[in-house]
Amino acid sequence: VVMTQSPLSLPVTLGQSASISCMSSRSLVHSDGNTYLDWFHQRPGQSPRRLIYKVSNRDSGAPDRISGSGSGTDFTLKISRVEAEDVGIYYCMQGTESPPTFGQGTKVEIK
Amino acid sequence: QVQLVESGGGVVQPGGSLRLSCAASGFTFDNYGMHWVRLAPGKGLEWVAFIRFDGSNDQYAASVKGRFTVTRDNSKNTLYLQMNSLRADDTAVYYCAKTYVLLSIDVWGQGTTVTVSS
Repeated sequence: VVMTQSPLSLPVTLGQSASISCMSSRSLVHSDGNTYLDWFHQRPGQSPRRLIYKVSNRDSGAPDRISGSGSGTDFTLKISRVEAEDVGIYYCMQGTESPPTFGQGTKVEIK
Repeated sequence: QVQLVESGGGVVQPGGSLRLSCAASGFTFDNYGMHWVRLAPGKGLEWVAFIRFDGSNDQYAASVKGRFTVTRDNSKNTLYLQMNSLRADDTAVYYCAKTYVLLSIDVWGQGTTVTVSS
């Protein structure tokens, strides 16, 4: 499954919102009924950290400004009221089919 | 808390070998599949290998198949990646990662750096 993110670069103004799109080449609905599409954030020099699992479930350590949505082949990560700590690279990843695959990554920076 | 600590990275010449380890703690290791994922300079995350919770099945990216082998020792709560015939394009930070269900990842280690250079 090919995962395609857009945009690849996203300059944002502090306090504004940002959206990242992730599209898959095939439906990510698993035979068990779940959709295994997750979002990760990687800051420079750090390991990735999961923000969202199964499309729209926010991790306990993720700010409530972060939300995920979508279905089938089309998914979105939204960051409301961008803060300085949000800079870094965001990746979507599908775990529905083997091999697991990542999007190319979206680099978020502050204008 | 869940912790994954990689080790074994370093500088190796092309054609050489290296063995990475990932020590796991804070969870029941033998209940979960595990991945190796790498981040090459200037590139995005690339899945490398996966091994089932009981070691009965392993899978590899086409770029490493036949050169890398993933194993685990559930008695030691440790994951391994044996890397042979290393090439310059294997240069990357290598992360071990825990699954939470099937192939999906929830926790990552801090990474270990592998540099393949003469």
